[in-house]
Amino acid sequence: DAGVIQSPRHEVTEMGQEVTLRCKPISGHDYLFWYRQTMMRGLELLIYFNNNVPIDDSGMPEDRFSAKMPNASFSTLKIQPSEPRDSAVYFCASQTALSYEQYFGPGTRLTVT
Amino acid sequence: GDSVTQMEGPVTLSEEAFLTINCTYTATGYPSLFWYVQYPGEGLQLLLKATKADDKGSNKGFEATYRKETTSFHLEKGSVQVSDSAVYFCALSDPIKAAGNKLTFGGGTRVLVKP
Repeated sequence: DAGVIQSPRHEVTEMGQEVTLRCKPISGHDYLFWYRQTMMRGLELLIYFNNNVPIDDSGMPEDRFSAKMPNASFSTLKIQPSEPRDSAVYFCASQTALSYEQYFGPGTRLTVT
Repeated sequence: GDSVTQMEGPVTLSEEAFLTINCTYTATGYPSLFWYVQYPGEGLQLLLKATKADDKGSNKGFEATYRKETTSFHLEKGSVQVSDSAVYFCALSDPIKAAGNKLTFGGGTRVLVKP
């Protein structure tokens, strides 16, 4: 298995632009998580899905952020419009219902100038 | 709510030294406890886990024991290598309260091992 796949690995954009981050979870995993990591705030859970349904989006910072999971093999995290304070590494992780282990992707490093 | 507190880093030590990273937690239920490791430029990966009191998790020479009486899950390794340089995260999951084994992470401890 290729593991959790995220794209792009690096994204540089200007303030005000729309940014879309993509994630392909491990096949057969029921849960998908989006995290954000910064030096100041550490690792934050933004939202997670179970069987493609959003379960908890209380970590989404504001309405500029949205996430979708149209099917079991794909999820997006969109920021519109982007701001410099959104600069961070965004991780996607997936998990089965029967396991304790979350499998993380390599992350997308987002820089908003 | 649930929380995890771990010692701040960075922790700098020499190769073959003994490593301890303290972790304490607050939870109302009976959580499962985890240590994740993040190597430079990578995502987190599970290092070890313990699902009930007095369990000892171990992997790659690392160990941690679930101590309910002190609400702690300290990570130890007897002889570190340069390749152990990474950020270590303590985490808990309270399946009674949170669906999907949602994890609560500590702030992470950066460890740097010098040759």
